[in-house]
Amino acid sequence: DGGITQSPKYLFRKEGQNVTLSCEQNLNHDAMYWYRQDPGQGLRLIYYSQIVNDFQKGDIAEGYSVSREKKESFPLTVTSAQKNPTAFYLCASSLSGSTPYNEQFFGPGTRLTVL
Amino acid sequence: GQQLNQSPQSMFIQEGEDVSMNCTSSSIFNTWLWYKQDPGEGPVLLIALYKAGELTSNGRLTAQFGITRKDSFLNISASIPSDVGIYFCAGNNRKLIWGLGTSLGVNP
Repeated sequence: DGGITQSPKYLFRKEGQNVTLSCEQNLNHDAMYWYRQDPGQGLRLIYYSQIVNDFQKGDIAEGYSVSREKKESFPLTVTSAQKNPTAFYLCASSLSGSTPYNEQFFGPGTRLTVL
Repeated sequence: GQQLNQSPQSMFIQEGEDVSMNCTSSSIFNTWLWYKQDPGEGPVLLIALYKAGELTSNGRLTAQFGITRKDSFLNISASIPSDVGIYFCAGNNRKLIWGLGTSLGVNP
């Protein structure tokens, strides 16, 4: 089946450790996105990539890093510099990064808890 | 970052009732999208709107793209318990701008 997978569903880390969240898509979409969701704050864009080997910062990129070495994969690293990393992280993809194909399709999310 | 005004913030209704929610902005958008998110899951795209004035249905859901291109609404008819969740609007104007969501509860 075509879709977006995120793993793991739940992740626990100690404070000060970097952690990498996985996102894979087999939809042949060019663009991929990472969002952070906190209660009552909706979705906030962390990073996005419109094409392989290229990515841009979103609204809250500080303390995060990404790579886009393959079209199918867009891993997110939450670094120790991120002051409040506990949140629900959502990965999405779209056919293209430009209008009118900006319909984004989401993975199931990873809930990260930093202890 | 920029956000849309989505209302109501939350609502709790009886099964069988109709529901209406809307999003407004001071900016013009080229596309409006409506998503539903179940607890602990990723949002699922319900309806996409591409033209001002467009009215689109998906089963019991109907959404409209406002003629000013600054607003959109979503109606759910004859609500059922599985309609429970958070509904998000998103407007596309070179980037996707998200509303804060409407939390819907349905009393069987």
